[in-house]
Amino acid sequence: DAMVIQNPRYQVTQFGKPVTLSCSQTLNHNVMYWYQQKSSQAPKLLFHYYDKDFNNEADTPDNFQSRRPNTSFCFLDIRSPGLGDAAMYLCATSHQNQVLAKNIQYFGAGTRLSVL
Amino acid sequence: AQSVTQLDSHVSVSEGTPVLLRCNYSSSYSPSLFWYVQHPNKGLQLLLKYTSAATLVKGINGFEAEFKKSETSFHLTKPSAHMSDAAEYFCVVSESTGFQKLVFGTGTRLLVSP
Repeated sequence: DAMVIQNPRYQVTQFGKPVTLSCSQTLNHNVMYWYQQKSSQAPKLLFHYYDKDFNNEADTPDNFQSRRPNTSFCFLDIRSPGLGDAAMYLCATSHQNQVLAKNIQYFGAGTRLSVL
Repeated sequence: AQSVTQLDSHVSVSEGTPVLLRCNYSSSYSPSLFWYVQHPNKGLQLLLKYTSAATLVKGINGFEAEFKKSETSFHLTKPSAHMSDAAEYFCVVSESTGFQKLVFGTGTRLLVSP
């Protein structure tokens, strides 16, 4: 019954080798988010899509990109992973509307990325 | 700008004793407040949320939190801890105007001993 699905759960890549993490949702939510969570830290928002509109956080490195080909899927691309990019990457969704902005974000189980 | 302070990085309790995880917030507008729980190597699960209705909010697994505007607090409590409650807990604030961006506290690790 998972509603926000992240694949794979664990990903190992090599230093500098591009990697893509995927997220899919069955909730038909219009907003999808990517967070980075390093060990023993709080999640940090990288960017989000509001429908097709991409919104980057000011401090997100250029090395991180995202694609949202349709409502259900969103991808996180790391163009040249460094050792400092090893982290848990969390995808979340919410439904944003103009009437009720107090929306819950639903999180996936995360993908733990290791960089060798 | 909104912010959240979780006053304890670690809390240790014995099974069957009460749990108190403390959270203070700062917000310019009427905030939405959340508690999320994260078990090891898992995603975040919503425990409960406050969105300007009742100030005492009941969540899943016996947790509840009370919104106190005068104290700018949103502490999480549970009458009796269970071993399965051992996890990381995040207090989260979101502005209720405009786009809802979440601001996370630094987390409190709850340890439950037999």
